[in-house]
Amino acid sequence: GNSVTQMEGPVTLSEEAFLTINCTYTATGYPSLFWYVQYPGEGLQLLLKATKADDKGSNKGFEATYRKETTSFHLEKGSVQVSDSAVYFCALSSAGANSKLTFGKGITLSVRP
Amino acid sequence: EAQVTQNPRYLITVTGKKLTVTCSQNMNHEYMSWYRQDPGLGLRQIYYSMNVEVTDKGDVPEGYKVSRKEKRNFPLILESPSPNQTSLYFCASSYRDSNQPQHFGDGTRLSIL
Repeated sequence: GNSVTQMEGPVTLSEEAFLTINCTYTATGYPSLFWYVQYPGEGLQLLLKATKADDKGSNKGFEATYRKETTSFHLEKGSVQVSDSAVYFCALSSAGANSKLTFGKGITLSVRP
Repeated sequence: EAQVTQNPRYLITVTGKKLTVTCSQNMNHEYMSWYRQDPGLGLRQIYYSMNVEVTDKGDVPEGYKVSRKEKRNFPLILESPSPNQTSLYFCASSYRDSNQPQHFGDGTRLSIL
């Protein structure tokens, strides 16, 4: 079945540091890939998505590229802010016969001033 | 305002007492789904629905029931709750299927004693 593996956390960075959060996946066919973010006490929000190989999703300074050859979708940001502190989830969807969404375990990011 | 509304937000109850968590969306979305979020496990899909009267199991359906009699509502039913169902639950919806961005509710925290 489908699965998503995220790097272990938590991650603590200083403001303006570079961020990379690793995500790899296992899936049949050609899944769509997502990053969702969860701020404290809230539901998840879509951060970015990519639907096919070599697509780059981007939003709010975050980027991720769909790499089919390495089955990866790593999240990056060049300069994090305190307001980026949240939990980040990588997810994949294999819509079709069964439209299921599979999430990674999530990683907590804390950015200190 | 486009939103997914869950009720209740918090509930403490006892083993075996049937409960229902309601979910309603006002965006005319076809696809709705339920997740549970547990520490160290991320989000896991319980059930999903592609349209009215069409529901299917996610990855962890045991102990849960759902129904989709109307497009806007997708209640989650625990017929005989047990302590291992203590968790944070999220309802989500999207325009068509799991490939589209999901709109999440704010969550329901259930404690089963």
